Amino acid sequence: DSGVTQTPKHLITATGQRVTLRCSPRSGDLSVYWYQQSLDQGLQFLIQYYNGEERAKGNILERFSAQQFPDLHSELNLSSLELGDSALYFCASSPRAGPVDEQFFGPGTRLTVL
Amino acid sequence: QQPVQSPQAVILREGEDAVINCSSSKALYSVHWYRQKHGEAPVFLMILLKGGEQKGHEKISASFNEKKQQSSLYLTASQLSYSGTYFCGTEGNYGGATNKLIFGTGTLLAVQP
Repeated sequence: DSGVTQTPKHLITATGQRVTLRCSPRSGDLSVYWYQQSLDQGLQFLIQYYNGEERAKGNILERFSAQQFPDLHSELNLSSLELGDSALYFCASSPRAGPVDEQFFGPGTRLTVL
Repeated sequence: QQPVQSPQAVILREGEDAVINCSSSKALYSVHWYRQKHGEAPVFLMILLKGGEQKGHEKISASFNEKKQQSSLYLTASQLSYSGTYFCGTEGNYGGATNKLIFGTGTLLAVQP
């Protein structure tokens, strides 16, 4: 158990809908990272927040947005969902801002768009 | 920008050794290695920082050639538990943006009895 929690574990929805994925980092970690992992694909970095502020951005679609709240939990919002958005979404946390620490990954949320 | 990993897949017998390589076309600040078992989350193995500092598990060894932007992960005396997909993640100057890891497509390692 990494100490990172993600909810829900599974999500099935239809095209065009909007969903919110939630992540609670390890106690004491200030950074939260979001990754997308599609079938047979590697981990695609989406976005990082550090202590409530956006720190780094990857190839995140404009339909996707995220935020980190004062209690440090983070939410990833996916809107106007398309079939291609079906994937495993991981969040990870680490103590500091830069990627100089190990990242602790949550169990992931499997999103299926029908 | 995505680092290239080789080989794509490797099958070993218990006790055999393997080397997984990670190569980038960009100057790198650090290389990170993770292992992911099927249906599970990635688990940290090692970080190699520019300048020679390394952080990781004692039983794992790796190298980082800063000049060649290459890293290698060495798995010796493999055990069944080593099976999984290995990802390298590279941190570099991606158009002026740092602070993010770009992961390779992975190397599938299968250790057989």
